[in-house]
Amino acid sequence: NAGVMQNPRHLVRRRGQEARLRCSPMKGHSHVYWYRQLPEEGLKFMVYLQKENIIDESGMPKERFSAEFPKEGPSILRIQQVVRGDSAAYFCASSPPGRVGQPQHFGDGTRLSIL
Amino acid sequence: DAKTTQPPSMDCAEGRAANLPCNHSTISGNEYVYWYRQIHSQGPQYIIHGLKNNETNEMASLIITEDRKSSTLILPHATLRDTAVYYCIVREDSSASKIIFGSGTRLSIRP
Repeated sequence: NAGVMQNPRHLVRRRGQEARLRCSPMKGHSHVYWYRQLPEEGLKFMVYLQKENIIDESGMPKERFSAEFPKEGPSILRIQQVVRGDSAAYFCASSPPGRVGQPQHFGDGTRLSIL
Repeated sequence: DAKTTQPPSMDCAEGRAANLPCNHSTISGNEYVYWYRQIHSQGPQYIIHGLKNNETNEMASLIITEDRKSSTLILPHATLRDTAVYYCIVREDSSASKIIFGSGTRLSIRP
């Protein structure tokens, strides 16, 4: 999974704190996707962003979760006031612009643990 | 919901070909078939994709039936490192679309 960089790899937070997860897409990729994988479950789409725009956030919880992909810098997934149920692996993927049939490439994820 | 159906688990002897089936009977004309795998604790890894024709790369071969309602991923010489969950996905003809993951097939390679 070289290319899409996620950090931190592991993040521990106490209930009520904020979690910030970062994703740097592969070079030349301007589409970023976030997915969540709860323990022993499959991956679920959360949000799709292009530079400075949220394109599809149909999988994002309505409360406490937000995402951005600024003109400069990595994409950020922010979780406010974390709860135990937010414990999961969060994966970021990226793909290039304007080309059909192109695969998304994934990072190795951030494992979020809530105490 | 995922548009594909896969067996929940399979096993294969090391060194033999692993053939992973996938049914996608409702696939539409502009949808590609993609295969990813997820090795424990890692992010999903892209393997191969195709539209109509069979495809081959350094990792695997993809055989798509003529009616496109099913496909088979072939790992020609399975190794222990191929132990993973394999996901078959249909996705519309655009880089700008989300992936809907199903449950996949858990492939175990036995020595």
